[in-house]
Amino acid sequence: DIQMTQSPSSLSASIGDRVIITCRASQGINNSLAWYQQKAGKAPNLLLYAASRLHSGVPSRFSGSGSGTDYSLTVSSLQPEDFATYYCHQYYSSPWTFGQGTKVEIK
Amino acid sequence: QVQLQQSGPGLVKPSQTLSLTCTVSGGSISSGAYYWSWIRQHPGKGLEWIGYVYYSGSTYYNPSLKSRVSISIDTSQNQFSLKLSSVTAADTAVYYCARDDRLPSGGPAGYLDYWGQGTLVTVSS
Repeated sequence: DIQMTQSPSSLSASIGDRVIITCRASQGINNSLAWYQQKAGKAPNLLLYAASRLHSGVPSRFSGSGSGTDYSLTVSSLQPEDFATYYCHQYYSSPWTFGQGTKVEIK
Repeated sequence: QVQLQQSGPGLVKPSQTLSLTCTVSGGSISSGAYYWSWIRQHPGKGLEWIGYVYYSGSTYYNPSLKSRVSISIDTSQNQFSLKLSSVTAADTAVYYCARDDRLPSGGPAGYLDYWGQGTLVTVSS
C-alpha cells in the first residue's frame, strides 16, 4: 500500500494567514491526489483533485500543487470557516489511502 | 443536487454482520457515470477506504478487509449496500458512503465528490 504522510499534524493560525499543508507519498502517484476538508462530526468535503484542480464551488483561496511524491495544499488567506481537519488522498494505486490529517486551529 | 442518505443500525454485536445502505437521490445509479464507495473512520483517526461497486455489480475491495466485506447495488431502489462480517471492536467506526467519478476509459477516477452523512457503528455486546 502507498503510505501518505502529512505535515504538520496540527497547526495554529490566525484569520488572514497563509497556510501550507504538505503530503508525501511513499512512491510516486502521478498527481493522483485529492484534498478534503472535514469539520467535527461531518463528512469530508472534496476541495481539490488531480493535485491542483479545484472542485466545483470551492473558494479560490484553496490551491494545490506538487508532483511525484510531494504535494501541498495552500490556503492563501485563512477564513473562520476554514478551521477544520484536512486530509490528502492518493488514488493512483489500490487500495486508495489517506494521510493522517492536519488539524488547523485558531491561534 | 445529488444526495447520499445512509441508513442502518448503529450497534452491532461482536461476530455478527454489519449492514449499511446508502440511498442516492438527485441522480440515477444505473447511469453508469459513477462508482459508489464505502469509507470508514475509526474514532479520532484517519480515513480508510473499504471498496467500491459499479452499477453493473462489479466490485473492488481493500485487501485488508476483502475476506469479510461485500458491497452490492440495487439499481431499482437507487441504493448500494455494505456488509462486513465477523465484526469485532476494531470495526467500531463512522462509516461513510461516497460517489466516485468515472474516467472516460471506464475505471473509477478515485476522488470522492459527494458523501453520505456518516453512520457511527459501535461493535459491542
